Amino acid sequence: AQSVAQPEDQVNVAEGNPLTVKCTYSVSGNPYLFWYVQYPNRGLQFLLKYITGDNLVKGSYGFEAEFNKSQTSFHLKKPSALVSDSALYFCAVRDGRGGFKTIFGAGTRLFVKA
Amino acid sequence: DTGVSQDPRHKITKRGQNVTFRCDPISEHNRLYWYRQTLGQGPEFLTYFQNEAQLEKSRLLSDRFSAERPKGSFSTLEIQRTEQGDSAMYLCASSPIGLARRSSYEQYFGPGTRLTVT
Repeated sequence: AQSVAQPEDQVNVAEGNPLTVKCTYSVSGNPYLFWYVQYPNRGLQFLLKYITGDNLVKGSYGFEAEFNKSQTSFHLKKPSALVSDSALYFCAVRDGRGGFKTIFGAGTRLFVKA
Repeated sequence: DTGVSQDPRHKITKRGQNVTFRCDPISEHNRLYWYRQTLGQGPEFLTYFQNEAQLEKSRLLSDRFSAERPKGSFSTLEIQRTEQGDSAMYLCASSPIGLARRSSYEQYFGPGTRLTVT
């Protein structure tokens, strides 16, 4: 069965500092991995994905994520946080063998302090 | 606006009543998903359509829930005999089938329908 864990309910970081939001996953086949962001009173927005290829993927708003197969992780990173990055971040996984079900983590709230 | 739209945005109903929600995906998106999200949780998969065919349905979905996508465009989600536990945000998402199979897996979400069952 597929599962996603986001071990931190909340991450606090100062503006200008690097940020990391952690995600680990479990899936039987090849993982298709995603990060989505949810701003207050707005719908979920796609940030980036890993399907195959380079382990480091780049996405919107300067975010990137690194796929680590041995650690079954897909941590979201950004070199320099902005106050406007404050939002709720969701990691998601889909089994690449087939099926259409996408499993989301419980979310991590990111607070960036000025 | 050419994004995913959902109607209504808010619905308050009494326990035992039936409710129906509508989702209009992005034009030409073949794939459509329904999710349920409760406070403090991520979206929970309910069902998936490819064109008009319902190809996957969560085992968590009771028989009070039904979804349709009759012409492969908009979709409806109906909840019969609502219960207080059905109170949640119901999200719809769509994605295209791209020319390259791996190019289309991200989903585009609508604003959701917030259901409150009293």
